[in-house]
Amino acid sequence: KAGVTQTPRYLIKTRGQQVTLSCSPISGHRSVSWYQQTPGQGLQFLFEYFSETQRNKGNFPGRFSGRQFSNSRSEMNVSTLELGDSALYLCASSLGGGLAFFGQGTRLTVV
Amino acid sequence: AQRVTQPEKLLSVFKGAPVELKCNYSYSGSPELFWYVQYSRQRLQLLLRHISRESIKGFTADLNKGETSFHLKKPFAQEEDSAMYYCALTHSSPGGYNKLIFGAGTRLAVHP
Repeated sequence: KAGVTQTPRYLIKTRGQQVTLSCSPISGHRSVSWYQQTPGQGLQFLFEYFSETQRNKGNFPGRFSGRQFSNSRSEMNVSTLELGDSALYLCASSLGGGLAFFGQGTRLTVV
Repeated sequence: AQRVTQPEKLLSVFKGAPVELKCNYSYSGSPELFWYVQYSRQRLQLLLRHISRESIKGFTADLNKGETSFHLKKPFAQEEDSAMYYCALTHSSPGGYNKLIFGAGTRLAVHP
C-alpha cells in the first residue's frame, strides 16, 4: 500500500497570504489528522476529519481550517499567515485506536 | 489537563548500554499510550503501544498507572537506535480516539 502523501513538501509564503496543504491518506483509512510541529511547541494536534466531518479540533485559531473529501483526501488551509505559522505540518491517516501513519510533512516558511 | 512529559531532551549512551527513555502522563481517564519514533530523514512512525504488550526492535514499555508512567526500555542499545522518540497518548472519550497528545520528545544518541 502506498503511504500517506503530502503535497507540497516545501512552501514559502509571505505574511498575510493564505496557503492550502494537501494530504492523501492510505487507501481505506477514513480518519485524517493534522499536526503542527515546531521546535518550541513540539507536535500539536490541529484537527481530525472522519468521513468528511471534523471530529476533533485542537487549540488553534480559526485561521486554521480543513476539510475532507469523499475519497478521504484532506486539505488544510491557513489564512492571513503569520510568521509564527512557520512549521512542519504533518498529516496522519488512521483506521483508529491511535495507530497513526504519518506523511513526510509540508514545511511552511512564512517570510 | 492532559499532558505528556518527557523530561530528557537528549539521552546519550554507548553501544551495548541499557536505555530508558522516560515518559510521564497526566490524564483524567483511561489513556492509550504509544511510543512513536523518527529516524533521521524518515517519517514519524509507531514503535509500540501499551495494549499490545509486545517488544519491537528490542524495546519494551510498561504502563504503570500508579506512577502514571510509560517508560521505554532496551537492555542493549544499538547505533541504529539513534533517533527522536516521542511518547503519546490518546483520549479514550467518544470521538477522541485519533487525537494524539505528544510529549516534547527525547533524542537518543547511541555512540560506538
